[in-house]
Amino acid sequence: SAVISQKPSRDICQRGTSLTIQCQVDSQVTMMFWYRQQPGQSLTLIATANQGSEATYESGFVIDKFPISRPNLTFSTLTVSNMSPEDSSIYLCSGDLTPGVNEQFFGPGTRLTVL
Amino acid sequence: EDQVTQSPEALRLQEGESSSLNCSYTVSGLRGLFWYRQDPGKGPEFLFTLYSAGEEKEKERLKATLTKKESFLHITAPKPEDSATYLCAVQASGTASKLTFGTGTRLQVTL
Repeated sequence: SAVISQKPSRDICQRGTSLTIQCQVDSQVTMMFWYRQQPGQSLTLIATANQGSEATYESGFVIDKFPISRPNLTFSTLTVSNMSPEDSSIYLCSGDLTPGVNEQFFGPGTRLTVL
Repeated sequence: EDQVTQSPEALRLQEGESSSLNCSYTVSGLRGLFWYRQDPGKGPEFLFTLYSAGEEKEKERLKATLTKKESFLHITAPKPEDSATYLCAVQASGTASKLTFGTGTRLQVTL
């Protein structure tokens, strides 16, 4: 199974600022995903990131607010832009080792608090 | 729209008291149904993938089953270390690995 790490593990940010979250996988993965988990709720997919192409965003999420980079097969970043308190959440990345194998592995998450 | 409903929201068991968690789903063509375990402050840990009705998978005290409309996670003789939130997710055909999650069942196992 793949090991996925995220930085930072947590942060407290001021309204109007931006935060970039890094996701590193210890092996090459075809697809990477970014999820949001709001307090007491389940995971909601923000976007899917493939190397060499623009991320695909789910309904309700836009690139200007959540720009994503995927420079290679082991790394991705998610930026939360112009933050407001409503962005306070846990942000998780996951990797799909091989399409069709169906074992998505998750990172430990980044707990973001916006004041 | 794909939907996943888990019940109960919370479950408290005594050590050794077996029970089942339910995951009901509606999806336009099931590609896979997933079970994850999530401990507080951590990311979900993969447990099982089920693909077709009638399929069963086991891991230690956990057994997952699948029908055309729901999945069950059976916990046999649970221990306190089984305490966690258990998440169910579905993947629809043609959705490029996208997972739709339920809200989870918080399980607490006491001595």
